[in-house]
Amino acid sequence: AQSVTQLDSHVSVSEGTPVLLRCNYSSSYSPSLFWYVQHPNKGLQLLLKYTSAATLVKGINGFEAEFKKSETSFHLTKPSAHMSDAAEYFCVVSNTGGFKTIFGAGTRLFVKA
Amino acid sequence: DSGVTQTPKHLITATGQRVTLRCSPRSGDLSVYWYQQSLDQGLQFLIHYYNGEERAKGNILERFSAQQFPDLHSELNLSSLELGDSALYFCASSATGESPLHFGNGTRLTVT
Repeated sequence: AQSVTQLDSHVSVSEGTPVLLRCNYSSSYSPSLFWYVQHPNKGLQLLLKYTSAATLVKGINGFEAEFKKSETSFHLTKPSAHMSDAAEYFCVVSNTGGFKTIFGAGTRLFVKA
Repeated sequence: DSGVTQTPKHLITATGQRVTLRCSPRSGDLSVYWYQQSLDQGLQFLIHYYNGEERAKGNILERFSAQQFPDLHSELNLSSLELGDSALYFCASSATGESPLHFGNGTRLTVT
């Protein structure tokens, strides 16, 4: 069975400080893992994708995520937050074949000036 | 621009009515997914079609149905609408099972 847990429903950071959004997953298979971002009244946009090629995945807008199999984690980070990063972020796990895709509950990121 | 088109953008209707939401996937994508997003339930997977065939069902009510046509566009039909059906409905498409999902901007349904 697959599951994904985003450990924080809300994260608040100051502009220019690091961002850490935490995600733990459970999967019986070698999963594909994704992070998506959703800005208000918009659809979800892919930030990055892990598919076992490299454990550190770089995405758009300066975000990256590290796959840690021993910890079953796939945390999203960014060295320096920008006001435009304020949005909701979803961690997603998908099994091989992709016919089972599970979304986390989302983490809302607030960025203070 | 994700390449996924959803129409209409907004829909306001009364309880008991029926509506149809439409989705055109990215060119070449065979998979179409429907999701419902509401404040209290979050993002809920409804149904997945692959090349015209239903592949997976999620938390889709019996009052809701969907289909994918030979040209790969998809429609989500919602009937006997209730106030609680008010939500954002997203369509997403992907090329293969392992490919990322590409989301449309959603249809905001308001049931009054």
